[in-house]
Amino acid sequence: GESVGLHLPTLSVQEGDNSIINCAYSNSASDYFIWYKQESGKGPQFIIDIRSNMDKRQGQRVTVLLNKTVKHLSLQIAATQPGDSAVYFCAENSRSGYSTLTFGKGTMLLVSP
Amino acid sequence: DGGITQSPKYLFRKEGQNVTLSCEQNLNHDAMYWYRQDPGQGLRLIYYSQIVNDFQKGDIAEGYSVSREKKESFPLTVTSAQKNPTAFYLCASSSGQINEKLFFGSGTQLSVL
Repeated sequence: GESVGLHLPTLSVQEGDNSIINCAYSNSASDYFIWYKQESGKGPQFIIDIRSNMDKRQGQRVTVLLNKTVKHLSLQIAATQPGDSAVYFCAENSRSGYSTLTFGKGTMLLVSP
Repeated sequence: DGGITQSPKYLFRKEGQNVTLSCEQNLNHDAMYWYRQDPGQGLRLIYYSQIVNDFQKGDIAEGYSVSREKKESFPLTVTSAQKNPTAFYLCASSSGQINEKLFFGSGTQLSVL
């Protein structure tokens, strides 16, 4: 079936850098996208979401960009901190008319002090 | 404190044994979900329930069963038919509205003895 995927399995940055995590999706009918952060041994935590009628949305230190033309989603983290080290997943709504999500495989972000 | 509680944190299964993972939420959410996560992988949907006394199979339902007798509870049984049950199991809930985020529990790690 159609799925969400990620380009980079691991991203290493220095503290204070800006981080960009990318995600390609294949279901052109998806109209809702979301980013989660998962620390080792814990459940995913919501970061930010975006609907397909938008191309950018900002939160605290995070920005999500959506390019529907090339079916690409990115998460930008400003002034990355060691506490941002985790696995980041993008997800999309997967079943029309239902509230389920389909997840990508994840990108690990490693932040060095 | 509102949230989703999964128990136990760790669970061991013997050959041929059925085990049940507990998930309780006090968020007054209509929808609940079970996902499976394998090392280095994304989350895959096992079962979901949009409303009490109703549930649907996800992408990998074989070898699992669920019930939804109460709004607050959505237990998952891993049956002996599931030949590769070792994984991290995550329960989630949401309002059930389309294009809304899911809230996750802290997970149960199931291992085979």
